[in-house]
Amino acid sequence: GENVEQHPSTLSVQEGDSAVIKCTYSDSASNYFPWYKQELGKRPQLIIDIRSNVGEKKDQRIAVTLNKTAKHFSLHITETQPEDSAVYFCAASSRNTGNQFYFGTGTSLTVIP
Amino acid sequence: GAGVSQTPSNKVTEKGKYVELRCDPISGHTALYWYRQSLGQGPEFLIYFQGTGAADDSGLPNDRFFAVRPEGSVSTLKIQRTERGDSAVYLCASSLGQPSGANVLTFGAGSRLTVL
Repeated sequence: GENVEQHPSTLSVQEGDSAVIKCTYSDSASNYFPWYKQELGKRPQLIIDIRSNVGEKKDQRIAVTLNKTAKHFSLHITETQPEDSAVYFCAASSRNTGNQFYFGTGTSLTVIP
Repeated sequence: GAGVSQTPSNKVTEKGKYVELRCDPISGHTALYWYRQSLGQGPEFLIYFQGTGAADDSGLPNDRFFAVRPEGSVSTLKIQRTERGDSAVYLCASSLGQPSGANVLTFGAGSRLTVL
């Protein structure tokens, strides 16, 4: 089955700096890669996703890049703000495995004011 | 409904008791997923329904765990003879379940289970 690895597990940045979180996957059939933000005690919320037919997607301060050859994808947050502090999870999904979602272990991001 | 609804939000029980957790997915979502999340960990897959049938139950840890979705909408996760190690947040999620894939997954707020 699919194996998703996520790094780093914790990340601290100064407010205004950029943050990058990286994930790798093992199943070349995976074709959908969402990113979720989870604040303490709350549900995971989808913040951005990318499909395998594109290499990059941007939404204001957040962007995701996908390298299918290397089987890795990354989340980029620019001009970080304290409210960006949360745990971020990447995931991979493939219709070949019944639309199952496989999650990374999470990155705890702290933005220092 | 407008979102994925889970009840109860909190459940405290004693070791050995039986527990039921309920999930009401977004209206029209044919796919429903159960995950378990322990503190500091990512969601751990338990079971996935497509319609009324369990498409993949490989994540259920043992035969004390069982889930049903009799009418293809509401699902109930059932845990028998609870153990302290079952304590976690149980997350439900749903999606349109389109065969073409790339279905957006929407989570509920979770049911926090504490086994004393």
